[in-house]
Amino acid sequence: QKEVEQNSGPLSVPEGAIASLNCTYSDRGSQSFFWYRQYSGKSPELIMSIYSNGDKEDGRFTAQLNKASQYVSLLIRDSQPSDSATYLCAVAPLHSGYALNFGKGTSLLVTP
Amino acid sequence: DAGVIQSPRHEVTEMGQEVTLRCKPISGHDYLFWYRQTMMRGLELLIYFNNNVPIDDSGMPEDRFSAKMPNASFSTLKIQPSEPRDSAVYFCASRNSGRGGDTQYFGPGTRLTVL
Repeated sequence: QKEVEQNSGPLSVPEGAIASLNCTYSDRGSQSFFWYRQYSGKSPELIMSIYSNGDKEDGRFTAQLNKASQYVSLLIRDSQPSDSATYLCAVAPLHSGYALNFGKGTSLLVTP
Repeated sequence: DAGVIQSPRHEVTEMGQEVTLRCKPISGHDYLFWYRQTMMRGLELLIYFNNNVPIDDSGMPEDRFSAKMPNASFSTLKIQPSEPRDSAVYFCASRNSGRGGDTQYFGPGTRLTVL
C-alpha cells in the first residue's frame, strides 16, 4: 500500500500567523505532488502543485518538496479565518495519469 | 463552463438495493476519476478512465462495484447489492491532459447512505 501520511490535527493558528502543514509519502516513484483544500461539505479544490525539489510560491501559499526525505509541506502566510478547512496532500505516481493517492487531511482552524 | 456534474447529490437506500451514481465530466476532458471519501479511510481512488477506457480499477472494493463510461460525456458507478459500509461521499473528477494540465476538477459529490 502506497501511503500518504498527514497529521489529522486540528491545527489551530491565530489570524495573521503562518500555518505549516506537513505530509510524508512512501512511494519513491512519485513524481507529482498536490495540495487540495476542502471546506466542510464541499469538494476538494486544487491550491498548489509541485514537481521539483525546493519551494514554489503562489500568493500567500508556499509548497515545499524534498524527494530525498519524501516530504511535502504547505505554508500559508498571513492566515485568514477563511483558510479554515481541511488540507489534503495528494501524490501521483509515475505513469498514473495523475490518479491521486490522498492523505486523510489536516484540519486547519484560523482563529480571529 | 458548468464544471463536473454529478447526480444525484444525495441518495438514501436500503441494504440490498442497486445504486447508480452518474457523472458528466467537463467537456473536452479525457480523464475521468471516481473517488470515495469516508471519515475512516479518507479519499480513495476507485477507478479511472482515459478516453472512455478503464485504465486502473484496482481500487474498486469488490465485485459489487462496477463503472462504465459509454461516451466522453457520461460515466456511471453502480453498486449492486448495496451494503451499509458503502455509505460515503462519492466524487467524480475530470482532467484535460491535452493542455498538459495536472489539475483534477472535482464534482460536488454524491452523498450515499445505505440503511
